[in-house]
Amino acid sequence: EPEVTQTPSHQVTQMGQEVILRCVPISNHLYFYWYRQILGQKVEFLVSFYNNEISEKSEIFDDQFSVERPDGSNFTLKIRSTKLEDSAMYFCASSVTGSGLPGANVLTFGAGSRLTVL
Amino acid sequence: SQQGEEDPQALSIQEGENATMNCSYKTSINNLQWYRQNSGRGLVHLILIRSNEREKHSGRLRVTLDTSKKSSSLLITASRAADTASYFCATLDYGGSQGNLIFGKGTKLSVKP
Repeated sequence: EPEVTQTPSHQVTQMGQEVILRCVPISNHLYFYWYRQILGQKVEFLVSFYNNEISEKSEIFDDQFSVERPDGSNFTLKIRSTKLEDSAMYFCASSVTGSGLPGANVLTFGAGSRLTVL
Repeated sequence: SQQGEEDPQALSIQEGENATMNCSYKTSINNLQWYRQNSGRGLVHLILIRSNEREKHSGRLRVTLDTSKKSSSLLITASRAADTASYFCATLDYGGSQGNLIFGKGTKLSVKP
């Protein structure tokens, strides 16, 4: 069964350092997303990406965050200057369809990248 | 707003029993989905119910949706130890853009053998 692959599974970094989290979405999916889950809390939407541009972003996704699809397969999340409160599990997801279509937004999630900021 | 609030927060049952989890939400939705998360892993999509549907089945799963009460329930029948996981409801707002699902905090289900 096709799956979304995320690397690294766990990253430890010092506050202020830049981090890049990588994702390989399912090959025929067109929509890509990043979510995060702080330990014991809700899964929160960060950003959606379609046709090589951001479709929507949440309030969490401020200027320290960026996404790109550099080579047509990888989908990356960059956190420019990490803060302690960025410590969380970051999930990449992808879907075939977007909103407005039958069965819209059924997401396939990766296993997550755990980010620990010290 | 606190969309997608599940209850109970935790549920412990014996293998073979049924497990029922509830979800409430506040906005008008396009669809509601249930996801499962095993400890330390990603979320796995279980079932989607559209706003114009009232009930849906998939194997041992039964989902109901009451849009007048803005609530949904997930029933797992004849539970197994392997069903032990956290279960989340997620809503897509009516007119919401792609993928912006709003998740609840989840119900942690423990099925004892």
